[in-house]
Amino acid sequence: AQKVTQAQTEISVVEKEDVTLDCVYETRDTTYYLFWYKQPPSGELVFLIRRNSFDEQNEISGRYSWNFQKSTSSFNFTITASQVVDSAVYFCALSEAAFNKIQGAQKLVFGQGTRLTINP
Amino acid sequence: ETGVTQSPTHLIKTRGQQVTLRCSSQSGHNTVSWYQQALGQGPQFIFQYYREEENGRGNFPPRFSGLQFPNYSSELNVNALELDDSALYLCASSLTREVTDTQYFGPGTRLTVL
Repeated sequence: AQKVTQAQTEISVVEKEDVTLDCVYETRDTTYYLFWYKQPPSGELVFLIRRNSFDEQNEISGRYSWNFQKSTSSFNFTITASQVVDSAVYFCALSEAAFNKIQGAQKLVFGQGTRLTINP
Repeated sequence: ETGVTQSPTHLIKTRGQQVTLRCSSQSGHNTVSWYQQALGQGPQFIFQYYREEENGRGNFPPRFSGLQFPNYSSELNVNALELDDSALYLCASSLTREVTDTQYFGPGTRLTVL
């Protein structure tokens, strides 16, 4: 069964600090996709990144970076030099190719989320 | 902004009533998914519609049903509302139903059941 665990419920840091959000996933599928979404107070989930299970290259986008390690089933997200505008709830999610093949649908399985507060 | 819109923004209903939530997908997207997000939790997959047909469902009872229209907009209907149905309901659209496509979410409808 697929599962995503975000063990950090809440994180609070001071502006300009670096912060890492952890994500551990479980799947028996060999082909899967991992996502990070940001949910500001407005409620809309904002897509940040998608990685497939065959691409373990780390990715950097501005102040954001992602570390994907299949050996530990982790897909961690780091914000460098955090800013107050980064304050939000962040969700890690998993989508399995097998579910898509059997059911013909794409289902995202989300973690519980990490509430990140950046203090000025 | 994703181009996915939802209405209404907020809704208050009483137990036993029925509710309809609406979603307009991003231009060019033929697939709509619905998720329920209880307070303090991650979103849970309800079902997905592709070209007007339901093609995948999560662990939700039949009183949760939906429709997708020829213009790919969608409705989520919930009958016999229960207190536990109080949640943020999120709609997401994607280019197709393929696992390679990213889902883009709307702002959600917050439903309160009293």
